[in-house]
Amino acid sequence: AQKITQTQPGMFVQEKEAVTLDCTYDTSDPSYGLFWYKQPSSGEMIFLIYQGSYDQQNATEGRYSLNFQKARKSANLVISASQLGDSAMYFCAMRVITGANSKLTFGKGITLSVRP
Amino acid sequence: SQTIHQWPATLVQPVGSPLSLECTVEGTSNPNLYWYRQAAGRGLQLLFYSVGIGQISSEVPQNLSASRPQDRQFILSSKKLLLSDSGFYLCAWTGGGYGKNIQYFGAGTRLSVL
Repeated sequence: AQKITQTQPGMFVQEKEAVTLDCTYDTSDPSYGLFWYKQPSSGEMIFLIYQGSYDQQNATEGRYSLNFQKARKSANLVISASQLGDSAMYFCAMRVITGANSKLTFGKGITLSVRP
Repeated sequence: SQTIHQWPATLVQPVGSPLSLECTVEGTSNPNLYWYRQAAGRGLQLLFYSVGIGQISSEVPQNLSASRPQDRQFILSSKKLLLSDSGFYLCAWTGGGYGKNIQYFGAGTRLSVL
Protein backbone atom coordinates (compact mmCIF):
# COMPACT_ATOMS: atom_id res chain seq x y z
CA ALA A 1 0.00 0.00 0.00
CA GLN A 2 1.09 3.54 -0.67
CA LYS A 3 1.35 6.21 1.98
CA ILE A 4 2.05 9.94 1.94
CA THR A 5 3.09 11.72 5.13
CA GLN A 6 2.91 15.46 5.67
CA THR A 7 3.51 16.23 9.33
CA GLN A 8 4.45 19.90 9.45
CA PRO A 9 2.10 22.10 11.41
CA GLY A 10 0.98 25.35 9.84
CA MET A 11 3.91 27.04 8.12
CA PHE A 12 4.63 30.75 8.03
CA VAL A 13 6.96 32.58 5.66
CA GLN A 14 7.80 36.18 5.03
CA GLU A 15 6.90 37.55 1.64
CA LYS A 16 9.76 37.22 -0.89
CA GLU A 17 11.50 34.50 1.12
CA ALA A 18 11.77 30.83 0.20
CA VAL A 19 9.94 28.05 2.02
CA THR A 20 10.17 24.24 1.99
CA LEU A 21 7.14 22.02 2.53
CA ASP A 22 7.98 18.48 3.56
CA CYS A 23 6.60 15.26 2.12
CA THR A 24 7.68 11.68 2.68
CA TYR A 25 6.22 8.69 0.92
CA ASP A 26 6.23 4.95 1.19
CA THR A 27 5.83 2.43 -1.59
CA SER A 28 7.45 -0.82 -2.63
CA ASP A 29 6.80 -0.17 -6.32
CA PRO A 30 9.83 1.04 -8.31
CA SER A 31 7.75 3.10 -10.74
CA TYR A 32 5.72 5.97 -9.35
CA GLY A 33 4.97 9.65 -9.74
CA LEU A 34 4.86 12.38 -7.13
CA PHE A 35 2.62 15.43 -7.35
CA TRP A 36 2.06 18.64 -5.45
CA TYR A 37 -1.24 20.50 -5.48
CA LYS A 38 -2.25 23.86 -4.07
CA GLN A 39 -5.68 24.42 -2.58
CA PRO A 40 -6.56 28.08 -1.89
CA SER A 41 -9.52 29.00 0.26
CA SER A 42 -11.79 28.77 -2.79
CA GLY A 43 -11.30 25.00 -2.65
CA GLU A 44 -10.09 24.22 -6.15
CA MET A 45 -7.11 21.86 -6.34
CA ILE A 46 -4.43 23.35 -8.56
CA PHE A 47 -1.67 21.15 -9.97
CA LEU A 48 1.81 22.58 -9.32
CA ILE A 49 4.56 20.11 -10.14
CA TYR A 50 5.30 16.49 -11.01
CA GLN A 51 8.33 14.23 -10.38
CA GLY A 52 8.71 10.75 -11.83
CA SER A 53 10.60 8.12 -9.88
CA TYR A 54 13.04 7.61 -12.76
CA ASP A 55 13.62 11.30 -13.45
CA GLN A 56 17.29 12.09 -13.03
CA GLN A 57 16.80 15.77 -12.25
CA ASN A 58 14.61 17.55 -9.78
CA ALA A 59 11.48 19.00 -11.35
CA THR A 60 11.04 22.77 -11.59
CA GLU A 61 8.04 24.86 -12.63
CA GLY A 62 8.62 28.59 -12.31
CA ARG A 63 8.95 29.42 -8.62
CA TYR A 64 8.25 25.81 -7.64
CA SER A 65 10.88 23.11 -7.41
CA LEU A 66 10.76 19.63 -6.03
CA ASN A 67 13.65 18.40 -3.89
CA PHE A 68 13.49 14.68 -4.71
CA GLN A 69 15.58 12.41 -2.51
CA LYS A 70 14.74 8.90 -3.63
CA ALA A 71 16.80 7.00 -1.05
CA ARG A 72 15.14 8.94 1.76
CA LYS A 73 11.73 8.71 0.07
CA SER A 74 11.15 12.42 0.35
CA ALA A 75 9.72 14.87 -2.16
CA ASN A 76 9.80 18.32 -0.60
CA LEU A 77 8.29 21.31 -2.38
CA VAL A 78 10.36 24.47 -2.44
CA ILE A 79 8.64 27.77 -3.19
CA SER A 80 11.02 30.60 -3.95
CA ALA A 81 10.24 34.29 -3.57
CA SER A 82 6.96 33.70 -1.71
CA GLN A 83 3.99 35.85 -2.63
CA LEU A 84 0.87 36.67 -0.65
CA GLY A 85 -1.12 34.60 -3.13
CA ASP A 86 0.85 31.51 -2.12
CA SER A 87 -1.12 31.35 1.14
CA ALA A 88 -3.06 28.09 0.82
CA MET A 89 -3.15 24.39 1.71
CA TYR A 90 -0.57 22.28 -0.09
CA PHE A 91 -1.01 18.58 -0.75
CA CYS A 92 1.55 16.00 -1.73
CA ALA A 93 0.27 12.99 -3.67
CA MET A 94 1.64 9.82 -5.22
CA ARG A 95 0.59 7.57 -8.07
CA VAL A 96 1.97 4.11 -8.53
CA ILE A 97 2.33 3.42 -12.23
CA THR A 98 1.13 -0.15 -12.36
CA GLY A 99 -1.68 0.38 -14.78
CA ALA A 100 -3.51 2.86 -16.93
CA ASN A 101 -5.63 4.09 -14.06
CA SER A 102 -3.88 6.91 -12.27
CA LYS A 103 -5.26 6.69 -8.76
CA LEU A 104 -3.64 9.18 -6.42
CA THR A 105 -2.90 8.80 -2.73
CA PHE A 106 -2.93 12.18 -0.95
CA GLY A 107 -1.30 13.39 2.22
CA LYS A 108 -3.24 15.38 4.81
CA GLY A 109 -1.84 18.69 3.61
CA ILE A 110 0.12 21.62 5.01
CA THR A 111 -1.19 25.13 5.57
CA LEU A 112 1.11 27.89 4.36
CA SER A 113 0.63 31.50 5.39
CA VAL A 114 2.68 34.22 3.72
CA ARG A 115 3.22 37.34 5.83
CA PRO A 116 3.60 40.77 4.22
CA SER B 1 -7.94 23.21 -24.21
CA GLN B 2 -9.58 20.92 -21.69
CA THR B 3 -11.91 22.20 -19.01
CA ILE B 4 -13.84 20.52 -16.23
CA HIS B 5 -17.12 21.78 -14.82
CA GLN B 6 -18.85 20.89 -11.60
CA TRP B 7 -22.20 22.00 -10.29
CA PRO B 8 -23.70 23.14 -8.12
CA ALA B 9 -20.99 25.03 -6.26
CA THR B 10 -22.80 24.82 -2.94
CA LEU B 11 -25.71 22.74 -1.76
CA VAL B 12 -27.66 22.50 1.48
CA GLN B 13 -29.84 19.41 1.76
CA PRO B 14 -31.93 17.87 4.54
CA VAL B 15 -31.12 14.43 5.90
CA GLY B 16 -32.89 11.75 3.89
CA SER B 17 -33.14 13.78 0.69
CA PRO B 18 -31.62 12.62 -2.62
CA LEU B 19 -28.43 13.99 -4.14
CA SER B 20 -27.15 14.49 -7.64
CA LEU B 21 -23.83 16.20 -8.39
CA GLU B 22 -22.69 16.52 -11.96
CA CYS B 23 -19.26 16.79 -13.53
CA THR B 24 -18.49 17.27 -17.21
CA VAL B 25 -15.23 17.51 -19.10
CA GLU B 26 -14.71 19.37 -22.36
CA GLY B 27 -11.94 19.22 -24.91
CA THR B 28 -10.94 15.59 -24.50
CA SER B 29 -12.31 12.14 -25.16
CA ASN B 30 -12.37 8.96 -23.09
CA PRO B 31 -10.96 10.56 -19.93
CA ASN B 32 -10.54 8.75 -16.65
CA LEU B 33 -12.89 10.42 -14.17
CA TYR B 34 -12.74 10.57 -10.38
CA TRP B 35 -14.92 11.65 -7.46
CA TYR B 36 -13.22 12.68 -4.20
CA ARG B 37 -14.54 13.85 -0.87
CA GLN B 38 -12.67 16.15 1.48
CA ALA B 39 -13.69 16.56 5.09
CA ALA B 40 -12.96 19.94 6.67
CA GLY B 41 -9.20 20.47 7.07
CA ARG B 42 -8.36 17.01 5.75
CA GLY B 43 -6.91 15.36 2.68
CA LEU B 44 -8.83 13.88 -0.22
CA GLN B 45 -10.54 10.52 -0.11
CA LEU B 46 -11.15 8.79 -3.43
CA LEU B 47 -14.78 7.68 -3.70
CA PHE B 48 -15.23 6.44 -7.27
CA TYR B 49 -13.34 6.31 -10.52
CA SER B 50 -14.29 5.45 -14.07
CA VAL B 51 -12.18 4.49 -17.07
CA GLY B 52 -15.09 4.46 -19.53
CA ILE B 53 -18.84 4.74 -20.05
CA GLY B 54 -20.74 2.54 -17.62
CA GLN B 55 -17.51 1.45 -15.88
CA ILE B 56 -17.50 2.49 -12.23
CA SER B 57 -15.14 1.37 -9.48
CA SER B 58 -15.94 2.11 -5.87
CA GLU B 59 -13.14 2.70 -3.41
CA VAL B 60 -15.10 3.07 -0.20
CA PRO B 61 -18.40 1.40 0.73
CA GLN B 62 -20.84 4.13 1.57
CA ASN B 63 -24.16 5.77 1.01
CA LEU B 64 -23.18 7.15 -2.38
CA SER B 65 -23.15 5.85 -5.95
CA ALA B 66 -21.70 7.08 -9.22
CA SER B 67 -22.67 6.77 -12.85
CA ARG B 68 -21.12 7.64 -16.18
CA PRO B 69 -23.93 7.89 -18.72
CA GLN B 70 -21.80 9.65 -21.33
CA ASP B 71 -18.10 9.70 -22.15
CA ARG B 72 -17.43 13.05 -20.51
CA GLN B 73 -20.12 13.08 -17.82
CA PHE B 74 -19.74 11.75 -14.29
CA ILE B 75 -22.55 11.87 -11.75
CA LEU B 76 -22.44 11.35 -7.99
CA SER B 77 -25.73 10.35 -6.39
CA SER B 78 -27.43 9.32 -3.21
CA LYS B 79 -30.97 8.14 -2.59
CA LYS B 80 -30.99 9.31 1.04
CA LEU B 81 -28.37 11.66 2.43
CA LEU B 82 -26.82 11.18 5.85
CA LEU B 83 -25.29 13.85 8.08
CA SER B 84 -21.91 12.20 7.48
CA ASP B 85 -22.21 12.90 3.75
CA SER B 86 -21.44 16.57 4.38
CA GLY B 87 -18.16 17.69 2.87
CA PHE B 88 -16.42 19.11 -0.14
CA TYR B 89 -16.76 17.01 -3.28
CA LEU B 90 -14.26 17.27 -6.08
CA CYS B 91 -14.34 15.79 -9.54
CA ALA B 92 -11.12 15.21 -11.47
CA TRP B 93 -10.07 13.92 -14.87
CA THR B 94 -6.94 12.57 -16.47
CA GLY B 95 -6.05 11.36 -19.91
CA GLY B 96 -5.33 7.80 -18.87
CA GLY B 97 -2.54 5.70 -20.34
CA TYR B 98 0.94 5.35 -18.90
CA GLY B 99 2.22 8.92 -18.94
CA LYS B 100 2.28 11.52 -16.17
CA ASN B 101 -1.50 11.32 -15.91
CA ILE B 102 -1.84 14.56 -14.04
CA GLN B 103 -5.26 14.83 -12.46
CA TYR B 104 -7.03 18.12 -13.07
CA PHE B 105 -9.79 19.11 -10.71
CA GLY B 106 -13.06 20.95 -10.93
CA ALA B 107 -13.98 23.80 -8.60
CA GLY B 108 -15.82 21.48 -6.21
CA THR B 109 -19.21 21.32 -4.51
CA ARG B 110 -19.66 22.17 -0.84
CA LEU B 111 -22.43 19.95 0.51
CA SER B 112 -24.04 20.55 3.87
CA VAL B 113 -26.51 17.96 5.10
CA LEU B 114 -28.69 19.30 7.90
